[in-house]
Amino acid sequence: DAGVTQTPRHEVAEKGQTIILKCEPVSGHNDLFWYRQTKIQGLELLSYFRSKSLMEDGGAFKDRFKAEMLNSSFSTLKIQPTEPKDSAVYLCASSFGGSSYEQYFGPGTRLTVL
Amino acid sequence: TQTVSQSDAHVTVFEGDSVELRCNYSYGGSIYLSWYIQHHGRGLQFLLKYYSGNPVVQGVNGFEAEFSKSDSSFHLRKASVHWSDSAVYFCAVSAINNNAPRFGAGTKLTVKP
Repeated sequence: DAGVTQTPRHEVAEKGQTIILKCEPVSGHNDLFWYRQTKIQGLELLSYFRSKSLMEDGGAFKDRFKAEMLNSSFSTLKIQPTEPKDSAVYLCASSFGGSSYEQYFGPGTRLTVL
Repeated sequence: TQTVSQSDAHVTVFEGDSVELRCNYSYGGSIYLSWYIQHHGRGLQFLLKYYSGNPVVQGVNGFEAEFSKSDSSFHLRKASVHWSDSAVYFCAVSAINNNAPRFGAGTKLTVKP
């Protein structure tokens, strides 16, 4: 079975650019999560979808970060405009749905903003 | 919102040693507690979880964790570590009301030969 797929694996952007990260969850999973991972802050929640509906978003990330779930098998995270402080690893995860199920994580996208 | 704290940023042990990685949480309601492992350059992988019942739960690769309500803790243990256990370990807390899991800062475990 395919796990969570994230593309690209690496992204380099200039300050002010718009970038779009992509995620394909495990087939049949209803929940999808976006996290940002840095050494200083650890894993920070960006967005949480259930059955394509937005359930939670990270309050600190609302202004320049927008996650969408266009269908049950594809999600995007848009950062617009990018800033150097956005340099991090962006992780996508999925689960069957509900707090009782474990999350399956993708390998992440490493974003570097110059 | 639930919070989770992992007090040790780094833990170093020798192969064959036992290890305990600490996790404390804060939340007023019912929760699920989990541990995940992250090898360098990869995503997180699930190890084990607890919700109710026996406070000691068994996971993969010889890991176990013990829940303590009185201490608000969920520490991860392994009796005899292998060099391949070197990784970053994350504790996670999920509220029963189905909001997204929150993660601790992680503990980097280094196992020396």
